[in-house]
Amino acid sequence: QKEVEQDPGPLSVPEGAIVSLNCTYSNSAFQYFMWYRQYSRKGPELLMYTYSSGNKEDGRFTAQVDKSSKYISLFIRDSQPSDSATYLCAMSYMDSNYQLIWGAGTKLIIKP
Amino acid sequence: NAGVTQTPKFQVLKTGQSMTLQCAQDMNHNSMYWYRQDPGMGLRLIYYSASEGTTDKGEVPNGYNVSRLNKREFSLRLESAAPSQTSVYFCASIRVRGSNQPQHFGDGTRLSIL
Repeated sequence: QKEVEQDPGPLSVPEGAIVSLNCTYSNSAFQYFMWYRQYSRKGPELLMYTYSSGNKEDGRFTAQVDKSSKYISLFIRDSQPSDSATYLCAMSYMDSNYQLIWGAGTKLIIKP
Repeated sequence: NAGVTQTPKFQVLKTGQSMTLQCAQDMNHNSMYWYRQDPGMGLRLIYYSASEGTTDKGEVPNGYNVSRLNKREFSLRLESAAPSQTSVYFCASIRVRGSNQPQHFGDGTRLSIL
């Protein structure tokens, strides 16, 4: 079993829809949770960063962490075709020197 | 405003050939990483360099060697390429390893081994 599980998709939704992307994990030591966005033929870039449980909002994006369920989510409101990309979750904790453990990524397609 | 630069962008090799993937960053970061990305596998760490002059193995180091040439440059070498090493290779950097800062990535090298 992988430490971090993420549905690879693709997830196809119409423009303007609310998108929910999720990851589950098995290691309760994880403290820091990140979402990276990766456009085709590009490197990943950090989108959202959350420490421990709770929500964090940045514009149309909301990151949510539920440590009791070992589950993290990324919500995208008013989705745009430019949001079409692969979204990777990553997580780390202090005792591992913040070594990132990655999900496999979910490919998201926003249809105009 | 280059960030992390990787060369080459694409390469095709025959089994048994060798090659070196180059990575350079201009952000004065101390730590650098090499990952490979395969379908359904996510990013897997091959080697990292916490600081100039040091290198350490990651999750999947077999078949690879690295050199931290100076603070800016971190190269990855395949001595005898195998088809299992067909992948997209990403270099990343971070100001200080052991912090919770984001990693900055290059745009990758797409490598095919025939």
